[in-house]
Amino acid sequence: GIQVEQSPPDLILQEGANSTLRCNFSDSVNNLQWFHQNPWGQLINLFYIPSGTKQNGRLSATTVATERYSLLYISSSQTTDSGVYFCAVESAGNNRKLIWGLGTSLAVNP
Amino acid sequence: DTGVSQNPRHKITKRGQNVTFRCDPISEHNRLYWYRQTLGQGPEFLTYFQNEAQLEKSRLLSDRFSAERPKGSFSTLEIQRTEQGDSAMYLCASPRGTNTGELFFGEGSRLTVL
Repeated sequence: GIQVEQSPPDLILQEGANSTLRCNFSDSVNNLQWFHQNPWGQLINLFYIPSGTKQNGRLSATTVATERYSLLYISSSQTTDSGVYFCAVESAGNNRKLIWGLGTSLAVNP
Repeated sequence: DTGVSQNPRHKITKRGQNVTFRCDPISEHNRLYWYRQTLGQGPEFLTYFQNEAQLEKSRLLSDRFSAERPKGSFSTLEIQRTEQGDSAMYLCASPRGTNTGELFFGEGSRLTVL
């Protein structure tokens, strides 16, 4: 089945710093989503981005489907950005389920 | 608020007991998913429904697990004869709006089996 790899696994930032998180996937995908899981376990949608670039405030994401990767950019990080960032893909076989990476654990220090 | 609600939020039970979780999805969508997440891992697919039909089940879903969606609205996930390895967060998800590829998750039901 499709493999999803995220890097780095862990990241520590000072408040105000920028960062880039990467998601590589091993096969063609129908869709790709980025999520933020807060310390209470809630998964929050950040982007639905099977291809192209989107921006939402301090966050932006780019997916290059032909090269099988996606990037999540966090600018001017805040302590509330702490948590785990997951990339999840639905394979092109259209089996309607998301396959997840292991996540990037981000800690933003004041 | 994603519009997907789950309860209970937390459940602590003794090994061998049965537990049931409920999910109320976003009302206008006919698809509903269950995932399970253990510590340090991403969520893993368990099963999904289209209306009341259970269309796919993961092999993670042993015969002790059963999921239903009797009227195509809310869904329940029951675990019989719980084992310590069942301790996890159980997550329900549903699409929202016209983009049926984008999933929105409830807050999850955290199970601890003692």
